[in-house]
Amino acid sequence: NAGVTQTPKFQVLKTGQSMTLQCAQDMNHNSMYWYRQDPGMGLRLIYYSASEGTTDKGEVPNGYNVSRLNKREFSLRLESAAPSQTSVYFCASSETATGRYSYEQYFGPGTRLTVT
Amino acid sequence: GEDVEQSLFLSVREGDSSVINCTYTDSSSTYLYWYKQEPGAGLQLLTYIFSNMDMKQDQRLTVLLNKKDKHLSLRIADTQTGDSAIYFCAESIGPTGTASKLTFGTGTRLQVTL
Repeated sequence: NAGVTQTPKFQVLKTGQSMTLQCAQDMNHNSMYWYRQDPGMGLRLIYYSASEGTTDKGEVPNGYNVSRLNKREFSLRLESAAPSQTSVYFCASSETATGRYSYEQYFGPGTRLTVT
Repeated sequence: GEDVEQSLFLSVREGDSSVINCTYTDSSSTYLYWYKQEPGAGLQLLTYIFSNMDMKQDQRLTVLLNKKDKHLSLRIADTQTGDSAIYFCAESIGPTGTASKLTFGTGTRLQVTL
């Protein structure tokens, strides 16, 4: 099993350009997540998808859109990139939560994005 | 809102014990987690503790939870150079729908010196 895969690994964009970050998981997980990681700020949740067909905003959704294409794939789109979106982006997946039990999240290797 | 705090940096000598601390604010957290991030990689779960436990031991790792003070610590015994990484604590803020939403701390960079 590959686990969680992300493409691309690195990307440089100019301000105003658009791009889509791809994420796929092969663990048959229902829930998927997009985070950004910035120095000194830990990981912040951008969007998540509790199950196929649903998406919800996280802590920092502005400037991003997501698509849960199917159970395996969850993409993150930057419509008009800004320098403030320079960051490392991580995708994660987990089993469906039951009651108040939260399951381990499995992370991809990340995409390092620079916006100039 | 939820807030999870950690010190940014810890340096220890190989063979010594490391203690990484974390404070959280959401008293309704059900699970608390420790994740490890090696350079250029994603996060990997090290261990977790249920909120009704005080301590959990897993080989070289010991997790202590003080619910009254909302304080979580991770002790690594006999620290090795391979333990050099960033360590994140995270709290479960309960499912929304069916997702397992986590709030992460800022991360503590552990440096192991010879």
